[in-house]
Amino acid sequence: ETGVTQTPRHLVMGMTNKKSLKCEQHLGHNAMYWYKQSAKKPLELMFVYNFKEQTENNSVPSRFSPECPNSSHLFLHLHTLQPEDSALYLCASSQGWASYEQYFGPGTRLTVT
Amino acid sequence: SQQGEEDPQALSIQEGENATMNCSYKTSINNLQWYRQNSGRGLVHLILIRSNEREKHSGRLRVTLDTSKKSSSLLITASRAADTASYFCATLFGSSNTGKLIFGQGTTLQVKP
Repeated sequence: ETGVTQTPRHLVMGMTNKKSLKCEQHLGHNAMYWYKQSAKKPLELMFVYNFKEQTENNSVPSRFSPECPNSSHLFLHLHTLQPEDSALYLCASSQGWASYEQYFGPGTRLTVT
Repeated sequence: SQQGEEDPQALSIQEGENATMNCSYKTSINNLQWYRQNSGRGLVHLILIRSNEREKHSGRLRVTLDTSKKSSSLLITASRAADTASYFCATLFGSSNTGKLIFGQGTTLQVKP
Protein backbone atom coordinates (compact mmCIF):
# COMPACT_ATOMS: atom_id res chain seq x y z
CA GLU A 1 0.00 0.00 0.00
CA THR A 2 2.94 2.40 0.27
CA GLY A 3 2.87 2.92 -3.52
CA VAL A 4 -0.31 5.00 -3.25
CA THR A 5 -0.96 7.01 -0.12
CA GLN A 6 -4.11 8.83 0.93
CA THR A 7 -4.72 11.39 3.63
CA PRO A 8 -6.58 11.70 5.84
CA ARG A 9 -7.58 8.10 6.52
CA HIS A 10 -10.72 9.17 8.35
CA LEU A 11 -12.72 12.38 8.02
CA VAL A 12 -15.89 13.58 9.70
CA MET A 13 -17.35 16.77 8.32
CA GLY A 14 -20.54 18.74 8.55
CA MET A 15 -22.63 19.54 5.52
CA THR A 16 -21.41 23.14 5.42
CA ASN A 17 -17.69 22.34 5.72
CA LYS A 18 -15.06 22.44 3.03
CA LYS A 19 -12.37 19.77 3.11
CA SER A 20 -9.93 18.13 0.72
CA LEU A 21 -8.75 14.57 0.25
CA LYS A 22 -5.20 14.03 -0.94
CA CYS A 23 -3.70 11.18 -2.91
CA GLU A 24 -0.06 10.68 -3.85
CA GLN A 25 1.45 7.91 -5.94
CA HIS A 26 5.13 6.99 -5.88
CA LEU A 27 4.98 4.55 -8.81
CA GLY A 28 5.71 6.83 -11.75
CA HIS A 29 2.26 6.20 -13.17
CA ASN A 30 0.52 8.46 -15.65
CA ALA A 31 -3.13 7.90 -14.78
CA MET A 32 -4.93 8.53 -11.49
CA TYR A 33 -8.49 7.80 -10.43
CA TRP A 34 -11.03 8.62 -7.73
CA TYR A 35 -13.57 5.95 -6.78
CA LYS A 36 -16.44 5.98 -4.30
CA GLN A 37 -17.30 2.81 -2.40
CA SER A 38 -20.61 2.80 -0.56
CA ALA A 39 -22.02 -0.07 1.44
CA LYS A 40 -23.74 -2.71 -0.69
CA LYS A 41 -22.92 -0.91 -3.96
CA PRO A 42 -20.25 -1.59 -6.55
CA LEU A 43 -17.18 0.58 -6.68
CA GLU A 44 -18.12 3.74 -8.59
CA LEU A 45 -15.63 5.51 -10.82
CA MET A 46 -15.77 9.26 -10.22
CA PHE A 47 -12.89 10.91 -12.07
CA VAL A 48 -9.95 9.91 -14.23
CA TYR A 49 -6.84 11.91 -14.98
CA ASN A 50 -4.40 10.83 -17.66
CA PHE A 51 -1.16 12.82 -17.90
CA LYS A 52 -2.76 15.46 -15.61
CA GLU A 53 -5.72 15.93 -17.96
CA GLN A 54 -9.20 14.96 -16.84
CA THR A 55 -10.47 12.31 -19.22
CA GLU A 56 -13.52 11.12 -17.33
CA ASN A 57 -16.13 12.73 -15.14
CA ASN A 58 -18.69 10.10 -14.37
CA SER A 59 -21.64 12.46 -13.81
CA VAL A 60 -20.35 13.42 -10.39
CA PRO A 61 -22.16 16.27 -8.56
CA SER A 62 -20.31 19.58 -8.56
CA ARG A 63 -19.91 19.45 -4.78
CA PHE A 64 -16.98 17.13 -5.60
CA SER A 65 -14.16 18.97 -7.36
CA PRO A 66 -10.99 17.15 -8.44
CA GLU A 67 -7.59 18.68 -8.96
CA CYS A 68 -4.48 17.10 -10.46
CA PRO A 69 -1.50 19.48 -10.27
CA ASN A 70 0.95 16.85 -11.54
CA SER A 71 1.06 13.15 -12.38
CA SER A 72 1.89 12.18 -8.79
CA HIS A 73 -0.78 14.10 -6.89
CA LEU A 74 -4.54 14.07 -6.97
CA PHE A 75 -6.95 15.98 -4.76
CA LEU A 76 -10.68 15.78 -4.21
CA HIS A 77 -12.14 19.00 -2.87
CA LEU A 78 -15.38 18.62 -0.96
CA HIS A 79 -17.98 21.26 -0.13
CA THR A 80 -21.61 21.27 1.01
CA LEU A 81 -21.78 17.49 1.03
CA GLN A 82 -24.84 15.43 1.86
CA PRO A 83 -25.11 12.54 4.35
CA GLU A 84 -25.44 10.12 1.43
CA ASP A 85 -21.93 11.12 0.36
CA SER A 86 -20.58 9.21 3.37
CA ALA A 87 -18.46 6.43 1.92
CA LEU A 88 -14.94 5.11 1.45
CA TYR A 89 -13.14 7.21 -1.17
CA LEU A 90 -10.40 5.34 -2.93
CA CYS A 91 -7.63 6.71 -5.07
CA ALA A 92 -5.86 4.55 -7.63
CA SER A 93 -3.15 4.92 -10.23
CA SER A 94 -2.03 2.95 -13.26
CA GLN A 95 0.82 3.06 -15.73
CA GLY A 96 -1.52 4.02 -18.52
CA TRP A 97 -5.20 4.67 -18.91
CA ALA A 98 -7.75 1.90 -18.69
CA SER A 99 -6.06 -1.29 -19.90
CA TYR A 100 -3.52 -1.56 -17.13
CA GLU A 101 -3.92 -2.92 -13.63
CA GLN A 102 -4.68 -0.28 -11.04
CA TYR A 103 -2.93 0.25 -7.73
CA PHE A 104 -5.14 1.49 -4.92
CA GLY A 105 -4.51 3.56 -1.85
CA PRO A 106 -5.96 2.60 1.54
CA GLY A 107 -8.88 4.99 1.18
CA THR A 108 -10.40 7.82 3.18
CA ARG A 109 -13.42 6.90 5.27
CA LEU A 110 -15.68 9.96 5.01
CA THR A 111 -18.63 10.58 7.29
CA VAL A 112 -20.90 13.54 6.58
CA THR A 113 -23.00 14.61 9.56
CA SER B 1 -25.73 -2.66 -16.65
CA GLN B 2 -22.32 -3.48 -18.06
CA GLN B 3 -20.82 -4.39 -14.72
CA GLY B 4 -19.54 -7.80 -13.84
CA GLU B 5 -21.65 -9.74 -11.40
CA GLU B 6 -19.96 -12.04 -8.95
CA ASP B 7 -21.38 -15.29 -7.70
CA PRO B 8 -21.73 -16.27 -4.94
CA GLN B 9 -22.12 -13.05 -2.95
CA ALA B 10 -20.68 -14.79 0.11
CA LEU B 11 -18.62 -17.94 0.58
CA SER B 12 -17.45 -19.61 3.77
CA ILE B 13 -14.94 -22.48 3.69
CA GLN B 14 -12.44 -24.25 5.93
CA GLU B 15 -8.72 -23.59 5.68
CA GLY B 16 -7.13 -25.88 3.13
CA GLU B 17 -10.20 -26.09 0.92
CA ASN B 18 -10.43 -24.53 -2.52
CA ALA B 19 -12.58 -21.45 -3.17
CA THR B 20 -14.18 -20.70 -6.51
CA MET B 21 -15.75 -17.39 -7.41
CA ASN B 22 -17.48 -16.58 -10.67
CA CYS B 23 -17.99 -13.38 -12.60
CA SER B 24 -20.41 -12.79 -15.46
CA TYR B 25 -20.67 -9.78 -17.72
CA LYS B 26 -22.90 -8.63 -20.53
CA THR B 27 -20.92 -7.08 -23.39
CA SER B 28 -17.59 -7.67 -25.12
CA ILE B 29 -14.56 -6.80 -23.05
CA ASN B 30 -10.96 -5.82 -23.60
CA ASN B 31 -9.72 -7.44 -20.42
CA LEU B 32 -10.96 -8.69 -17.06
CA GLN B 33 -9.20 -8.12 -13.76
CA TRP B 34 -9.58 -9.61 -10.30
CA TYR B 35 -8.93 -7.61 -7.14
CA ARG B 36 -8.94 -8.40 -3.42
CA GLN B 37 -10.03 -6.05 -0.66
CA ASN B 38 -9.46 -6.61 3.03
CA SER B 39 -12.08 -5.04 5.24
CA GLY B 40 -12.18 -1.25 4.86
CA ARG B 41 -8.89 -1.12 2.97
CA GLY B 42 -7.83 -0.43 -0.60
CA LEU B 43 -8.08 -2.97 -3.38
CA VAL B 44 -5.11 -5.11 -4.37
CA HIS B 45 -4.72 -6.25 -7.97
CA LEU B 46 -4.48 -10.02 -8.36
CA ILE B 47 -4.62 -11.01 -12.03
CA LEU B 48 -5.40 -9.40 -15.40
CA ILE B 49 -6.59 -11.67 -18.20
CA ARG B 50 -7.01 -10.36 -21.72
CA SER B 51 -9.92 -11.24 -23.97
CA ASN B 52 -7.71 -13.49 -26.14
CA GLU B 53 -6.47 -15.49 -23.13
CA ARG B 54 -8.27 -18.43 -21.58
CA GLU B 55 -6.37 -19.12 -18.38
CA LYS B 56 -3.77 -17.48 -16.15
CA HIS B 57 -2.03 -18.57 -12.99
CA SER B 58 -0.40 -16.69 -10.16
CA GLY B 59 0.74 -18.72 -7.18
CA ARG B 60 -2.36 -20.34 -5.65
CA LEU B 61 -4.65 -18.34 -7.95
CA ARG B 62 -6.08 -19.57 -11.22
CA VAL B 63 -8.29 -17.42 -13.42
CA THR B 64 -10.22 -18.66 -16.43
CA LEU B 65 -12.06 -16.63 -19.03
CA ASP B 66 -14.77 -17.89 -21.34
CA THR B 67 -15.70 -15.11 -23.72
CA SER B 68 -18.40 -17.21 -25.41
CA LYS B 69 -20.21 -17.47 -22.07
CA LYS B 70 -19.11 -14.00 -20.95
CA SER B 71 -17.84 -15.40 -17.69
CA SER B 72 -14.69 -15.75 -15.63
CA SER B 73 -13.78 -17.71 -12.55
CA LEU B 74 -11.21 -17.21 -9.82
CA LEU B 75 -9.96 -20.32 -8.05
CA ILE B 76 -7.96 -20.06 -4.84
CA THR B 77 -6.37 -23.38 -3.98
CA ALA B 78 -5.38 -24.55 -0.49
CA SER B 79 -7.02 -21.52 1.10
CA ARG B 80 -5.61 -19.83 4.20
CA ALA B 81 -7.24 -17.70 6.88
CA ALA B 82 -5.35 -14.73 5.39
CA ASP B 83 -7.33 -15.16 2.17
CA THR B 84 -10.42 -13.88 4.03
CA ALA B 85 -11.42 -10.78 2.05
CA SER B 86 -13.80 -9.51 -0.61
CA TYR B 87 -12.94 -10.37 -4.19
CA PHE B 88 -14.01 -8.21 -7.12
CA CYS B 89 -13.92 -8.72 -10.83
CA ALA B 90 -13.53 -5.66 -13.01
CA THR B 91 -14.16 -5.59 -16.72
CA LEU B 92 -12.70 -3.18 -19.24
CA PHE B 93 -15.20 -2.17 -21.88
CA GLY B 94 -14.27 -0.29 -24.99
CA SER B 95 -10.77 0.16 -26.36
CA SER B 96 -7.64 -0.10 -24.29
CA ASN B 97 -7.15 3.65 -24.67
CA THR B 98 -10.61 4.92 -23.88
CA GLY B 99 -12.43 2.17 -22.03
CA LYS B 100 -13.77 2.17 -18.50
CA LEU B 101 -12.98 -0.34 -15.79
CA ILE B 102 -16.28 -1.40 -14.22
CA PHE B 103 -16.32 -3.28 -10.91
CA GLY B 104 -18.84 -5.84 -9.73
CA GLN B 105 -20.30 -6.00 -6.24
CA GLY B 106 -17.85 -8.64 -5.08
CA THR B 107 -17.77 -12.00 -3.33
CA THR B 108 -17.05 -12.01 0.39
CA LEU B 109 -14.86 -14.98 1.26
CA GLN B 110 -14.40 -16.23 4.81
CA VAL B 111 -11.77 -18.87 5.43
CA LYS B 112 -12.14 -20.49 8.82
CA PRO B 113 -8.97 -21.70 10.56
